[in-house]
Amino acid sequence: QLHLQESGPGLVKPPETLSLICSVSGGSISSSSYFWGWIRQPPGKGLEWIASVYYSGKTYHSPSLNSRVTTSLDTSKNQFSLKLSSVTAADTAVYYCGRGLESGRTGKWFDVWGQGTLVTVSS
Amino acid sequence: SYELTQPPSVSVSPGQTTSITCSGDKLGDKYACWYQQKPGQSPVLVIYEDRRRPSGIPERFSGSNSGNTATLTISGTQAMDEADYYCQAWDSSTVVFGGGTKLTVL
Repeated sequence: QLHLQESGPGLVKPPETLSLICSVSGGSISSSSYFWGWIRQPPGKGLEWIASVYYSGKTYHSPSLNSRVTTSLDTSKNQFSLKLSSVTAADTAVYYCGRGLESGRTGKWFDVWGQGTLVTVSS
Repeated sequence: SYELTQPPSVSVSPGQTTSITCSGDKLGDKYACWYQQKPGQSPVLVIYEDRRRPSGIPERFSGSNSGNTATLTISGTQAMDEADYYCQAWDSSTVVFGGGTKLTVL
């Protein structure tokens, strides 16, 4: 059974860079059948998509975060990562990683999610 | 940018049928999916490709999508269905989530 686990600092100072890793077990990230994504949820608020990354190297980022986001896959470690630069208090959230599936031209969804990790941005 | 709009809250009595809507421009031309999130837990996919249920999701969950509105319907709602529900679609290379609907089972 596929399992995703987020890891990284729980506290980041502004305006440093937030760095998270999603470790994948029970399956390989080196598959063209899936994509891998990051989603966050500020306390008491809704879900916000951050980025998606494909084994092919293709990446997509939220337009509102695009200039601050870097994502990558590390197939040797079966994990993928997120870096969010110049963080502010508004970036405080639970960060989730997920496995994505797609169908046709517009069908994309996340079928497996990590447990999430709370990242607080504060000096 | 593309937006998906959900009602903030919906209430239902146990055993009744309830629907949660998700509106977006020409949403029916895209695939929609739905997630259930209970307090302190990660989201769980309950519907994908408008109406398909993942393995393990009860049959009382169903979905539809036409025109500008996707709908999640829960038949015979149970107390365990009380949760936040989010719709999601894909547009112009971005994943878009609705704002979420809090379902209360009274």
